[in-house]
Amino acid sequence: AQSVTQPDIHITVSEGASLELRCNYSYGATPYLFWYVQSPGQGLQLLLKYFSGDTLVQGIKGFEAEFKRSQSSFNLRKPSVHWSDAAEYFCAVGAPGTASKLTFGTGTRLQVTL
Amino acid sequence: DAGVIQSPRHEVTEMGQEVTLRCKPISGHDYLFWYRQTMMRGLELLIYFNNNVPIDDSGMPEDRFSAKMPNASFSTLKIQPSEPRDSAVYFCASRTVPGGIVTEAFFGQGTRLTVV
Repeated sequence: AQSVTQPDIHITVSEGASLELRCNYSYGATPYLFWYVQSPGQGLQLLLKYFSGDTLVQGIKGFEAEFKRSQSSFNLRKPSVHWSDAAEYFCAVGAPGTASKLTFGTGTRLQVTL
Repeated sequence: DAGVIQSPRHEVTEMGQEVTLRCKPISGHDYLFWYRQTMMRGLELLIYFNNNVPIDDSGMPEDRFSAKMPNASFSTLKIQPSEPRDSAVYFCASRTVPGGIVTEAFFGQGTRLTVV
């Protein structure tokens, strides 16, 4: 069964500082991988996705993520955090092909201090 | 496109009452998903449809929950009778697979259900 672990429940960073949110997955092959962001009272918005190819993927809002097969990880990064990045971030994994059943991690809540 | 539209945004009901949540997917999307989000369990997939047909309902917690998709532009999730432990945010999402290429799912803003 596929699973996703986001080990950090809550992270606080200062505005302008760099950010890395961790995501580890468990799957028998290389899955499809996603990062979503959820602002308070809102639905989930896709930041970026990885299906195959270049292991460093660029997303919206200046985010990027790197797929590392050897570590079963797909960590999300941003070189300089803005106060508007405060939100909850979810990593998700889906089976290659259709990715119909996405399994989400428990989320990491990001707080940005000014 | 207006995106995935869910109604109502908030619902407060008494235990034992029937609750119906509604979803209008993005036009042209042939997959529709219902998720439930709680603090304890995070985001859980309840059921998903492809071309209006339920494909996997293994996430539906019990018989009190039912979902339908009578046409490509409308789906409902019904809880009857509702219980306090059903309190959660319910999300609907849709997506398409144009030419067999998987795309991301687009989420609605959710319905916050409170059962008292």
